[in-house]
Amino acid sequence: DTEVTQTPKHLVMGMTNKKSLKCEQHMGHRAMYWYKQKAKKPPELMFVYSYEKLSINESVPSRFSPECPNSSLLNLHLHALQPEDSALYLCASSQPGTAVAEAFFGQGTRLTVV
Amino acid sequence: SQQGEEDPQALSIQEGENATMNCSYKTSINNLQWYRQNSGRGLVHLILIRSNEREKHSGRLRVTLDTSKKSSSLLITASRAADTASYFCATSSRTDSWGKLQFGAGTQVVVTP
Repeated sequence: DTEVTQTPKHLVMGMTNKKSLKCEQHMGHRAMYWYKQKAKKPPELMFVYSYEKLSINESVPSRFSPECPNSSLLNLHLHALQPEDSALYLCASSQPGTAVAEAFFGQGTRLTVV
Repeated sequence: SQQGEEDPQALSIQEGENATMNCSYKTSINNLQWYRQNSGRGLVHLILIRSNEREKHSGRLRVTLDTSKKSSSLLITASRAADTASYFCATSSRTDSWGKLQFGAGTQVVVTP
């Protein structure tokens, strides 16, 4: 199984809502990532979890809160988002600590904040 | 910040033609990877070239890497309509141990039948 599964595929939320994005992989990868991608732009790294510990936070606003309950799951909790947070949110996984780590990406969650 | 720059930004070709896109980067790298993204979908890994490799092939794909110029190229031979997508290079820094990827701006390729 070389899939990274993200749910939901689409999400529309108001600025006062609380929602969560979910990501799951069963490849035994111990590094998982959240990227944000705006239209016609490359993905930008938000967070890295390595061995279930938050390793990198790329100065992301606190209205985004990541969580890694176990080695297969990664969540992104959303609260009080702004319209400019509308984007495609991509989850990825890879094997940390190796120079040849290709990343496997999920299909993304298309988020619209209204 | 994105350290990889790609050119061209957009490429339109006919089926059967070859497509070439280039990527430049700024820091020392462990490896360079190419990904494809169909419209609004996730990224699909195409090929990885290590910093000590100069050329790599995979099917209709040919990747070159010139670490002295900090640049790479991706060649897609005998293109097909299904190759229509955005293509991104991504680098893994030599000083990074978390698998953090820095993506280039991407090249949007349109292959017309």
